[in-house]
Amino acid sequence: KAGVTQTPRYLIKTRGQQVTLSCSPISGHRSVSWYQQTPGQGLQFLFEYFSETQRNKGNFPGRFSGRQFSNSRSEMNVSTLELGDSALYLCASSFSGAGGPTGELFFGEGSRLTVL
Amino acid sequence: AQSVTQLDSQVPVFEEAPVELRCNYSSSVSVYLFWYVQYPNQGLQLLLKYLSGSTLVKGINGFEAEFNKSQTSFHLRKPSVHISDTAEYFCAVSDPGSGYALNFGKGTSLLVTP
Repeated sequence: KAGVTQTPRYLIKTRGQQVTLSCSPISGHRSVSWYQQTPGQGLQFLFEYFSETQRNKGNFPGRFSGRQFSNSRSEMNVSTLELGDSALYLCASSFSGAGGPTGELFFGEGSRLTVL
Repeated sequence: AQSVTQLDSQVPVFEEAPVELRCNYSSSVSVYLFWYVQYPNQGLQLLLKYLSGSTLVKGINGFEAEFNKSQTSFHLRKPSVHISDTAEYFCAVSDPGSGYALNFGKGTSLLVTP
């Protein structure tokens, strides 16, 4: 069974640009969550999508957005990039929801974004 | 919102020695608790979870954790570590009442040396 796939794995952007990251969940999983990982702030929850609807959102500015498609694949977008957006962005999928009854998220290897 | 404090940012230990990684959470209501491990350049992998029931939870790779409600702790233990256990360990809490989003601690870097 294929795991969670994130693309691209690495990317470099400059300030002011925008970026789109993609996540393909494990087959059959309907929930996709996104996290930002930085050395200073650790892992921070961005948002969760379930059956194409944003079900939960973390404390990030509106420059961070996401969506989920009917096949459960998800994308997140960051507009007007800032230096502080440099981070590892992790996607996680689960059948019923983050930390829900099964209690397990399956993580991808992440997309490492560097903003210059 | 629920929060998690991992009391040690780094834990060096010799191979075959026991180890305990400490985690405290901030809640008096029912929560779900997790330990995840992150190996270099990889995503996170679930080690174990506490949802309800027995307070001693056994996970993969010989790890176990004990849920202590009175002390709001969920410490991770392994009786004998291997070099391959070198990784970053994250404690996380999920509040069933607020969408199940996981709040992670800052992580503990476990370094196992020969």
